[in-house]
Amino acid sequence: AQKVTQAQTEISVVEKEDVTLDCVYETRDTTYYLFWYKQPPSGELVFLIRRNSFDEQNEISGRYSWNFQKSTSSFNFTITASQVVDSAVYFCALKGGAQKLVFGQGTRLTINP
Amino acid sequence: GAGVSQTPSNKVTEKGKYVELRCDPISGHTALYWYRQSLGQGPEFLIYFQGTGAADDSGLPNDRFFAVRPEGSVSTLKIQRTERGDSAVYLCASSMTSGSPNEQFFGPGTRLTVL
Repeated sequence: AQKVTQAQTEISVVEKEDVTLDCVYETRDTTYYLFWYKQPPSGELVFLIRRNSFDEQNEISGRYSWNFQKSTSSFNFTITASQVVDSAVYFCALKGGAQKLVFGQGTRLTINP
Repeated sequence: GAGVSQTPSNKVTEKGKYVELRCDPISGHTALYWYRQSLGQGPEFLIYFQGTGAADDSGLPNDRFFAVRPEGSVSTLKIQRTERGDSAVYLCASSMTSGSPNEQFFGPGTRLTVL
């Protein structure tokens, strides 16, 4: 069985603070993919990043960075110098041998001005 | 428009009625997915199509739910004898291929409310 756990239900920070969203996953597949999606108040899921299980290099894209650690089955997401526009619900997801995405429950991030 | 479109955006129905939700994928995308998102939860997989055929329908909760994609493009999710517990946002996604990696592009969803 595959499972994604996002233990942080809600996070609230003040603008310009750094914030890390945690994601822990379970899978028996040796090849799998991990994703992060953003769901702003408008409701549409926006793709942010995809990593495959063979590539543990961390990735940085502007103010966003991702830390993939296979040893701890974690794929954490950090926003540096957060902005109000970053406020949204963020989902971590896993895709193994099957085509479906298995999502975590999401973390609601609120950035206060 | 270039994105995935879903109609209607909102649907209110009464318990016991039949509803159809439509998804129009991105042109050229062969794979199509339906997910259901309940309030405060992450999306849950319902069914996946590769072309016209349902390749995986393991997420459909019961036989009241059915989906079709007769021409390999537009898909319709059909729910019979709706129940209040069916109330949720129904999301559709499409991707270029079913092979990995496949970035799934999501539509805006249909919010179904069963009274």
